[in-house]
Amino acid sequence: AQKVTQAQTEISVVEKEDVTLDCVYETRDTTYYLFWYKQPPSGELVFLIRRNSFDEQNEISGRYSWNFQKSTSSFNFTITASQVVDSAVYFCALSEGGFQKLVFGTGTRLLVSP
Amino acid sequence: EAQVTQNPRYLITVTGKKLTVTCSQNMNHEYMSWYRQDPGLGLRQIYYSMNVEVTDKGDVPEGYKVSRKEKRNFPLILESPSPNQTSLYFCASSSSGTDSYEQYFGPGTRLTVT
Repeated sequence: AQKVTQAQTEISVVEKEDVTLDCVYETRDTTYYLFWYKQPPSGELVFLIRRNSFDEQNEISGRYSWNFQKSTSSFNFTITASQVVDSAVYFCALSEGGFQKLVFGTGTRLLVSP
Repeated sequence: EAQVTQNPRYLITVTGKKLTVTCSQNMNHEYMSWYRQDPGLGLRQIYYSMNVEVTDKGDVPEGYKVSRKEKRNFPLILESPSPNQTSLYFCASSSSGTDSYEQYFGPGTRLTVT
């Protein structure tokens, strides 16, 4: 069975601090996809990144970076020099190969104060 | 503009009064899903559809019905809503092409059942 664990319920940081959001997943498939979504206070879900199980390269997009480690079944998300606009709930999700279903973690609420 | 639309965005209703939440996508996607989001639980899949006239249960289907008579539409029906169905609902769609594991989400429908 697939499962995604986001152990951090809420994180508070001060602007310009770096912050890492943890994501640990469980799956029996060798082919799967991992995602991160952002949910700002307005409520919509904003797609951030998709990573397939065969690509372990880390990725950087501006202030955002992702560290995918199959050995520890983790797909962590780091925001560098956080900003108030980064305040949101962040969800990690998993999709196994061939299934049109996302299994979500419970989310991490990030609060960035000025 | 590629998008998934949901209506209504907000709905307050009473126990037992049948309601329908509509979902429509303009991307010609085969796959469509409904999720509900509850505090501390993340998002959970209610129903999904692989194509017209093909639907199946997700993780939390009790109390819900769906239909897929047209490719673009995937309404969620609550025939006798109860207070435990108070939640934030998201419709999502994805294609069977190379990006099939990215789901496009609608803006959400906040439902309150009193």
